[in-house]
Amino acid sequence: QTVVTQEPSFSVSPGGTVTLTCGLTSGSVSTNYYPSWYQQTPGQAPRTLIYSTNTRSSGVPDRFSGSILGNKAALTITGAQADDEADYFCVLFMGSGNWVFGGGTKVTVL
Amino acid sequence: QVQLQESGPGLVKPSQALSLTCTVSGGSISSGSYYWSWIRQPAGKGLEWIGRIYTSGSTKYNPSLKSRVTISVDTSKNQLSLNLTSVSAADTAVYFCARASEQWPWVFDYWGQGTLVTVSS
Repeated sequence: QTVVTQEPSFSVSPGGTVTLTCGLTSGSVSTNYYPSWYQQTPGQAPRTLIYSTNTRSSGVPDRFSGSILGNKAALTITGAQADDEADYFCVLFMGSGNWVFGGGTKVTVL
Repeated sequence: QVQLQESGPGLVKPSQALSLTCTVSGGSISSGSYYWSWIRQPAGKGLEWIGRIYTSGSTKYNPSLKSRVTISVDTSKNQLSLNLTSVSAADTAVYFCARASEQWPWVFDYWGQGTLVTVSS
């Protein structure tokens, strides 16, 4: 079974930069998986940040960017703000209407 | 603006079936080319994709849940449904419905707010 890996948690200072990654226990993440990233705050539905590796969803600030770093997908927050404190999930499209979710990374801004 | 709203019992007894409904407004569930999914999240844990139904009615499920899951659509009510049988405490979670496009970029663009289901006697 495909398992998507994410760091459990990260801490970043206000104004700082943090890069979250999304990998596979077996194999590499490439653009062919059309990785997407979602932000979730407590009690809320996920909000789409990035899709197809590096395309920002409408209304998402440009401090959020997506990329492929080595064999993983990556989400970088540049100039972190207090309201960026949230859980971030990556999702990989496996084809034929199948998706696999990562376990999420909890980002703390302090 | 498409909106999704989950509904159903908040408490289900172990070994029974869990049934949830997702009502879609602002668009027809049978128009366009979309995948309609159920996704769940146990408290304090990550999201788990349960499965999806395509506009045509074809379904696909997470292999880990496949034997217990049925997803269906009622086009007359513009609703998506989830049936999960033989539940246990491990099925306690917030359940979300969401929509994704059938073609690029295959992203979940609309989500419901989620509904908490607790499995307990």
